Amino acid sequence: QVQLQESGPGLVKPSETLSLTCTVSGGSISSYYWSWIRQPAGKGLEWIGRIYTSGSTNYNPSLKSRVTMSVDTSKNQFSLKLSSVTAADTAVYYCARAYDSRGWVDYWGQGTLVTVSS
Amino acid sequence: EIVLTQSPGTLSLSPGERATLSCRASQSVSSSYLAWYQQKPGQAPRLLIYGASSRATGIPDRFSGSGSGTDFTLTISRLEPEDFAVYYCQQYGPFGGGTKVEIK
Repeated sequence: QVQLQESGPGLVKPSETLSLTCTVSGGSISSYYWSWIRQPAGKGLEWIGRIYTSGSTNYNPSLKSRVTMSVDTSKNQFSLKLSSVTAADTAVYYCARAYDSRGWVDYWGQGTLVTVSS
Repeated sequence: EIVLTQSPGTLSLSPGERATLSCRASQSVSSSYLAWYQQKPGQAPRLLIYGASSRATGIPDRFSGSGSGTDFTLTISRLEPEDFAVYYCQQYGPFGGGTKVEIK
């Protein structure tokens, strides 16, 4: 059974960079698409982007200028960096596996709350 | 960029009733990219339907998906108590705004 676990700081200061890592267990990270999705409290889901194990990426156009994703197949991990954060970036961040290039997500992490505040 | 609009925002129904949820795309999309998810409070979403009409593993057959082009539908034939939740559609990346199915 594939499991995903997000890790990283729960509190980030405004204008700084949010950094999260997702560790995949129970299966190989290779040959899948790995996504980041976030959800502000009481609101809907926002797709941030995805990365394939080759390193190719697709980002949400509204966040593209601030997002960087990377993958480390040797550690079965992938990561998210979101720069110049503001309070609007406060949300639960989910890492997830997209089964293939069509994008639908079959495995999710439990989610981690990141708060942007000084 | 494709925008997905879900309606209604909230659906108030009783257990045993039929629920019909709509997802409309701003332009025609491939049905193979359309998915539906269920999310309960405090939980990550769960994949229900992929490819517009295929049920994910372990999903009861009271859940069905249909549609093509710009209009897609998720139907729950008879609502069970555990089905009251928020439902999202997704196309490739972006999600719709969600429909909350609440107990009437």
